[in-house]
Amino acid sequence: ETGVTQTPRHLVMGMTNKKSLKCEQHLGHNAMYWYKQSAKKPLELMFVYNFKEQTENNSVPSRFSPECPNSSHLFLHLHTLQPEDSALYLCASSQDWRDTQYFGPGTRLTVL
Amino acid sequence: EDKVVQSPLSLVVHEGDTVTLNCSYEVTNFRSLLWYKQEKKAPTFLFMLTSSGIEKKSGRLSSILDKKELFSILNITATQTGDSAIYLCAVGSGAGSYQLTFGKGTKLSVIP
Repeated sequence: ETGVTQTPRHLVMGMTNKKSLKCEQHLGHNAMYWYKQSAKKPLELMFVYNFKEQTENNSVPSRFSPECPNSSHLFLHLHTLQPEDSALYLCASSQDWRDTQYFGPGTRLTVL
Repeated sequence: EDKVVQSPLSLVVHEGDTVTLNCSYEVTNFRSLLWYKQEKKAPTFLFMLTSSGIEKKSGRLSSILDKKELFSILNITATQTGDSAIYLCAVGSGAGSYQLTFGKGTKLSVIP
């Protein structure tokens, strides 16, 4: 498998559930990203990890908790979400901060 | 605050037409401008532009950057229905920053 993969592709959860999104990149990149894409809004950067260290956190609510165990894997742990958190969550990776970011297919999240 | 504005927000053309999509930006310490095509979910990379006046070309798609006037255009000639997608413009700024600022995108619909 090549590129950036994400699982699950679709997720429906209640506000009291706990779930996790998974991202894996097979490109040998050092940096990984979580983005949120809501209808009619630009992609919003949530978190950045470089060499497993978090380098950016764009004021994301604590109900979103990222984890990066190694340079190839990135998780987004979700708990007590709100309906307004329903969106497409995209993972991306790049070699470093100067390079092109390559995106995964996304997880379509619906919070009931 | 960094800002990226794309126009038009949506566009409907007939197959064979030529289209020009616009992206203007206001950022501090410009580093690069990227174009992506988003058909269903994953944005796919098209071009990265860093220097003014140098056209990048891939098949029927081409793009150019004007760093003096702070904008870029994406041209698509002889459009096909497969070109229907949302085209995203993103700008990277700052040395050492992983942040990309995205525009809202232009939704292109090519009808037979």
